[in-house]
Amino acid sequence: DAGITQSPRHKVTETGTPVTLRCHQTENHRYMYWYRQDPGHGLRLIHYSYGVKDTDKGEVSDGYSVSRSKTEDFLLTLESATSSQTSVYFCAIRAGTGTYNEQFFGPGTRLTVL
Amino acid sequence: TQLLEQSPQFLSIQEGENLTVYCNSSSVFSSLQWYRQEPGEGPVLLVTVVTGGEVKKLKRLTFQFGDARKDSSLHITAAQPGDTGLYLCAGAHNNAGNMLTFGGGTRLMVKP
Repeated sequence: DAGITQSPRHKVTETGTPVTLRCHQTENHRYMYWYRQDPGHGLRLIHYSYGVKDTDKGEVSDGYSVSRSKTEDFLLTLESATSSQTSVYFCAIRAGTGTYNEQFFGPGTRLTVL
Repeated sequence: TQLLEQSPQFLSIQEGENLTVYCNSSSVFSSLQWYRQEPGEGPVLLVTVVTGGEVKKLKRLTFQFGDARKDSSLHITAAQPGDTGLYLCAGAHNNAGNMLTFGGGTRLMVKP
C-alpha cells in the first residue's frame, strides 16, 4: 500500500461541465502521475508532476490541466468535459531511485460524461 | 511514441496449464515492470527487471528481461484461478519525467 487515495471513486457528469479529480498521497513522494485507462489503449499518461508547482504534459494532455500546490495533492481538471473523456483515471507515484523507476497506483476514479 | 507491444491480448486456459505473455519493443528501456490488475482496482506491481538477460521468479511466475533490454516475458507455471486478471508490462525511460510506457495488457482467465 503506497498510501494513495483518489476521490471521488465514481462520478457521472454532463458534457460541458468542469470536473476535478483529486489524488492524495501520504508518503511525500516527489513524482506523481495521472493516467487514463481505456479498452484497447492500455494506460496513457495525461500529465505528471515532479514537485510542488512543477508539472508537465504527457501523451494525451489535450483537454486536461493539473495543479500541485502541496506535495501530497495532485489535482486533475477537465475544464469542459466531453464524452471522449469517459474513462477510468489512475493516479500514481514514483518510488525507487535511479534505474528502479517503479510506480504505484491509486484505486482509480471511474468518470462517465453523458 | 515509443510502443510496447504485448501479446496475446486475451488468454483463456484451464487450471494447471502453463502460459507465457510477451512484451516487445524496438526501444531500449532502463528497466521494465510487470503489473497485475483486478477489476475495479489499480495495477499492482509484481516485479522490476533491470539488467539485460535478468530472470526473476515470484513463486510460479518467472519474468525475463531480454539481453538487449527491448523485450520481456512472463511465464506462469501451473496456472490457478487466482492468477486471473489483466497483466501489464511497462518500460521505463531515464528521461526528465521518469515516465513509463505501458503495453496494451493481456487479459488472462484461468478456469477451474
